[in-house]
Amino acid sequence: EAGVAQSPRYKIIEKRQSVAFWCNPISGHATLYWYQQILGQGPKLLIQFQNNGVVDDSQLPKDRFSAERLKGVDSTLKIQPAKLEDSAVYLCASSSSTVANYYEQYFGPGTRLTVT
Amino acid sequence: EDQVTQSPEALRLQEGESSSLNCSYTVSGLRGLFWYRQDPGKGPEFLFTLYSAGEEKEKERLKATLTKKESFLHITAPKPEDSATYLCAGEDSSYKLIFGSGTRLLVRP
Repeated sequence: EAGVAQSPRYKIIEKRQSVAFWCNPISGHATLYWYQQILGQGPKLLIQFQNNGVVDDSQLPKDRFSAERLKGVDSTLKIQPAKLEDSAVYLCASSSSTVANYYEQYFGPGTRLTVT
Repeated sequence: EDQVTQSPEALRLQEGESSSLNCSYTVSGLRGLFWYRQDPGKGPEFLFTLYSAGEEKEKERLKATLTKKESFLHITAPKPEDSATYLCAGEDSSYKLIFGSGTRLLVRP
């Protein structure tokens, strides 16, 4: 079974530039998550999708971050404009969880973003 | 505010030297307590889920236990390949995982 795919693996941009990350979840997984992991910290949930609907985006800085999941499969996370404090690893995860049942999340390798 | 705290931040062990990692949590409506392993440059890898106080789960040299306020990850006779960061996460009532900052484990041969 193929895992969660993410690209690019690394990205370096200057502050105020924009950047986009892509995620392809495990086939058949209805739930998709984007996390931000700052060096030395645990992952922090940014947004959760159930199919192509948003379940939770309470911790997404909506003035600069946006995410979409078209057709309930792939997802993109965008930052515009980037700030220095956005330097982190952005992790995508998927699971077959539904409202009634929770199953463990499978994580992709992440995209390491450096903002200079 | 929901919070998960892990200790120690870093732990160095000799191969074969058993020890425990601690995870204390205050998560309202806790549905489950999760342990993940994270290797450098990779995403977290699922290890265990614990749902009720007194529950224990084992996998090779790892055993996870849960009380009403804490969870422990016991490592018995560790090997160098057990070196990684171990993350603990509490699942709240809305199915959201709240992660601790992790314990970086280094096992020396």
